[in-house]
Amino acid sequence: KQEVTQIPAALSVPEGENLVLNCSFTDSAIYNLQWFRQDPGKGLTSLLLIQSSQREQTSGRLNASLDKSSGRSTLYIAASQPGDSATYLCAVYNQGGKLIFGQGTELSVKP
Amino acid sequence: NAGVTQTPKFRVLKTGQSMTLLCAQDMNHEYMYWYRQDPGMGLRLIHYSVGEGTTAKGEVPDGYNVSRLKKQNFLLGLESAAPSQTSVYFCASRRPLAQGGETQYFGPGTRLLVL
Repeated sequence: KQEVTQIPAALSVPEGENLVLNCSFTDSAIYNLQWFRQDPGKGLTSLLLIQSSQREQTSGRLNASLDKSSGRSTLYIAASQPGDSATYLCAVYNQGGKLIFGQGTELSVKP
Repeated sequence: NAGVTQTPKFRVLKTGQSMTLLCAQDMNHEYMYWYRQDPGMGLRLIHYSVGEGTTAKGEVPDGYNVSRLKKQNFLLGLESAAPSQTSVYFCASRRPLAQGGETQYFGPGTRLLVL
């Protein structure tokens, strides 16, 4: 059974700092991996989608990497801003298109 | 293009009452999903549908039923609500690979409190 773990559960950093969020999964037979952002009381917004054949994806200040063999993905946020404060969720697509979610990392960026 | 919408946004039920949550999408997606989100548990799949007229069980289906009579709508029903079903419910639809890469679009959520 696929399990997705995110570490740390919560993170607080000063504005301007670069940071890394970690995601690990137990079954490397994934279709792809997706990072989401969730603001308090809101739904999920897709940030980056990495196909299983890819090693990384970039969007603005965000960079996500994927290492299937080790069962790991990282989300790198450069020059963090208070507006980046949110919960970041990692999810893997198994065969059949089902998403398995991690529990999320709650990020707080202090001005 | 409204994306994925959910009705209602918030509801309070008494134990034993029934209700239906409505999800609608205007992107012509075949696949739709219902999740629940609980503190410390992440999002868990309740039921899903791969097309009009189809439904399938997810990870935590007990106590819920679903119907997909129309492609754009996916209904989640609670026949006899229990306090353990207090949660935030999210609906999602999936964009297929051929349309720019698989990704799921989420609705804003329905907060349900069962007393």
